[in-house]
Amino acid sequence: GQSLEQPSEVTAVEGAIVQINCTYQTSGFYGLSWYQQHDGGAPTFLSYNALDGLEETGRFSSFLSRSDSYGYLLLQELQMKDSASYFCAVSVTGGFKTIFGAGTRLFVKA
Amino acid sequence: GAGVSQSPSNKVTEKGKDVELRCDPISGHTALYWYRQSLGQGLEFLIYFQGNSAPDKSGLPSDRFSAERTGGSVSTLTIQRTQQEDSAVYLCASSPEGYEQYFGPGTRLTVT
Repeated sequence: GQSLEQPSEVTAVEGAIVQINCTYQTSGFYGLSWYQQHDGGAPTFLSYNALDGLEETGRFSSFLSRSDSYGYLLLQELQMKDSASYFCAVSVTGGFKTIFGAGTRLFVKA
Repeated sequence: GAGVSQSPSNKVTEKGKDVELRCDPISGHTALYWYRQSLGQGLEFLIYFQGNSAPDKSGLPSDRFSAERTGGSVSTLTIQRTQQEDSAVYLCASSPEGYEQYFGPGTRLTVT
């Protein structure tokens, strides 16, 4: 089967940097995605890593190590609006089936 | 352009009744997904459709759940003989490639 582990909660202060880790156990791994979800809202896509290394998109970066079955999402210059849940998700079985982690709730404090 | 739409936004039904949830994906997206999310929880994969391939139904929790996608576009998720544990938000997503998924606003299902 497939499983993903990520911390349930992270707290950080405005302007700081925070890293949300994700480890996975899966067969037929294709890539690792990250999604953001605000309370009451729908998940929105942040990033995708299919190969090892760092992908940067503005204040957000995502990293993948396939050999370690590990990835992380890095959020820089935290803003209050970044308070949300963040989900890692693995694409398997031809790249389309997607399994989500339980999510990490990020609290950004002033 | 138009995003993914879902209807109804809210559905309250009595235990034992059947419900149908609808999803209109983004035009041109070949992949369509259904997920279930309970309050404060992650997204539980239910089923996905990709092009003309047979759907992957491996996440459907029981045979009371079924889904179809007509004409490669609109999809309907049907839950028969609803149970209280079916109460959740049902999310639909579409994608051109699979990994970048665009989600609809969801249908909040409450079974009384």
